[in-house]
Amino acid sequence: GAGVSQSPSNKVTEKGKDVELRCDPISGHTALYWYRQSLGQGLEFLIYFQGNSAPDKSGLPSDRFSAERTGGSVSTLTIQRTQQEDSAVYLCASSLGTGQGANEQFFGPGTRLTVL
Amino acid sequence: AQKVTQAQTEISVVEKEDVTLDCVYETRDTTYYLFWYKQPPSGELVFLIRRNSFDEQNEISGRYSWNFQKSTSSFNFTITASQVVDSAVYFCAIAYSGAGSYQLTFGKGTKLSVIP
Repeated sequence: GAGVSQSPSNKVTEKGKDVELRCDPISGHTALYWYRQSLGQGLEFLIYFQGNSAPDKSGLPSDRFSAERTGGSVSTLTIQRTQQEDSAVYLCASSLGTGQGANEQFFGPGTRLTVL
Repeated sequence: AQKVTQAQTEISVVEKEDVTLDCVYETRDTTYYLFWYKQPPSGELVFLIRRNSFDEQNEISGRYSWNFQKSTSSFNFTITASQVVDSAVYFCAIAYSGAGSYQLTFGKGTKLSVIP
């Protein structure tokens, strides 16, 4: 079956612009995560969605970052007024629900964001 | 707080050698989950294994084996008879229920190069 898909695969933007990154999770996966991977910070958790519950936003680095998940499926990560330090690979992952513990998370190919 | 330490930044081995990747974790929780992921040069994170804190049985899957020891807070990964296709960055990670998200906290990764 189809895995997690993300778009665009690459995004180059100018400092100060807003960007939107999209994630399509695996069908039937109720949990969705965003992470980012950068040389300096490694892999960092950003935000988590589970069904209709309030998202866990504890990993968002600033209020310029936000995310939503519509209809329990597709998610969009928005970065406003981008800064050069936002340059990274943004990874989306999905898993079966977390009601009975941690399931394996399946990752998408990522979106490489470059802020000039 | 959770923490994962992968002390080996880079390892090089000659094909067919065995290699062990070390992972040490820190957590105050009694229920947690440990993971290994592989990130080949193509970039996509690939799930390898999940272990919960109540299951200390070692596991073998083909050329891969994992040794989980709670007494030393370690979850080491051994590749037997390494192959060039094993060349990748390997990440150890921990998840706990904390806020219910089971978000992954990753180590910095170990880059394995298998030389033909």
